Amino acid sequence: VQLVESGGGLVQPGKSLKLSCSASGFTFSSYGMHWIRQAPGKGLDWVAYISSSSGTVYADAVKGRFTISRDNAKNTLYLQLNSLKSEDTAIYYCARYDLDAWGQGASVTVSS
Amino acid sequence: DIQMTQSPPSLSASLGETVTIECRASEDIYNGLAWYQQKPGKSPQLLIYNANSLHTGVPSRFSGSGSGTQYSLKINSLQSEDVASYFCQQYYNYPLTFGSGTKLEIK
Repeated sequence: VQLVESGGGLVQPGKSLKLSCSASGFTFSSYGMHWIRQAPGKGLDWVAYISSSSGTVYADAVKGRFTISRDNAKNTLYLQLNSLKSEDTAIYYCARYDLDAWGQGASVTVSS
Repeated sequence: DIQMTQSPPSLSASLGETVTIECRASEDIYNGLAWYQQKPGKSPQLLIYNANSLHTGVPSRFSGSGSGTQYSLKINSLQSEDVASYFCQQYYNYPLTFGSGTKLEIK
């Protein structure tokens, strides 16, 4: 099982960014997937979940600003981050349904 | 939301010792609890699920116990590679929530 995030970077407040998570080593379409973030030096903060049938759940802090999606043909999970705030600065991890597999993380820094 | 209160925030112990980390949920989570180990600069790794089931490949010196609102992680015969932060997490209900973490160091 391998999960590889990409798309992180430095972005100004109010702008957008899209993260990707490429999955391999398992049947991606059969699994729900999560995004979880960790602010510098802080704990873990669940962000969003998408089921195998594309039902979604969001944390209140990102609801209406972030969108989780998936492309099963490409074995890829996405997180669209809009209206970014400084408090969204974190490493963003994708993880499989049971949190038994995590990616290495993508760093997002929101700063002017 | 279910709040997870983890203690202690940090822990220093000698090699070979046994250490215990506690986690209390704000309501009954019916054993929907996992423990993770995170080494510096790395992503978290699953240790324990369903409160007391050892994840594949995790050394048997790690064990979990508890029920209701009170859970614990025990590490027997502490080894140098156990230096890490440890987090509990409830998955009984959304939003998934994590404890604030315990940083384990070797004395």
